[in-house]
Amino acid sequence: DGGITQSPKYLFRKEGQNVTLSCEQNLNHDAMYWYRQDPGQGLRLIYYSQIVNDFQKGDIAEGYSVSREKKESFPLTVTSAQKNPTAFYLCASTRDRNTLTNTEAFFGQGTRLTVV
Amino acid sequence: EDQVTQSPEALRLQEGESSSLNCSYTVSGLRGLFWYRQDPGKGPEFLFTLYSAGEEKEKERLKATLTKKESFLHITAPKPEDSATYLCAVRLGSGNTGKLIFGQGTTLQVKP
Repeated sequence: DGGITQSPKYLFRKEGQNVTLSCEQNLNHDAMYWYRQDPGQGLRLIYYSQIVNDFQKGDIAEGYSVSREKKESFPLTVTSAQKNPTAFYLCASTRDRNTLTNTEAFFGQGTRLTVV
Repeated sequence: EDQVTQSPEALRLQEGESSSLNCSYTVSGLRGLFWYRQDPGKGPEFLFTLYSAGEEKEKERLKATLTKKESFLHITAPKPEDSATYLCAVRLGSGNTGKLIFGQGTTLQVKP
């Protein structure tokens, strides 16, 4: 079955450490996204990528970094510069940005990151 | 500035009591409006896509409608299993490289 896989489901980080969250999709989608969700809030866009080897900052990119070396993979690194990283992180993908139909995003099941 | 706003933030209904959730948007170039359902600790689950004003989509007790400035998610005779957070999202058009932005969500609780 096609879908998006995020790992790990739970992640604990010590202050000052960098951690990387994995996101893999086998939907053959061109675009991928990372969102952060805090308790009781909506999704805020961190980074997105419309095509391999290209990505753009979202609304809250500070303290995060990404890479898009392969179409199916879009890992997110939470760096020590991110002052409040404890949150629920969601990865999503969509078909090509030029597609006029079936443009909905599909999501992984999320990674809950906690700073200890 | 591109923005998506949902109201109310929270809604409590008795089982069978119909109501509507609102999603208003101010964006430059709409290429789709989406409704999602999210259960606690899970990723959002896709419900509907709407592309143009006047369009309507239905699925079981849910019906989504779209105007030029807002969308409504109508819930008819809800059941306790409809309790969840409902998210609205907009995919931006030309000049915004397909950016997808979300509203804050409406948390719905349906009591038996």
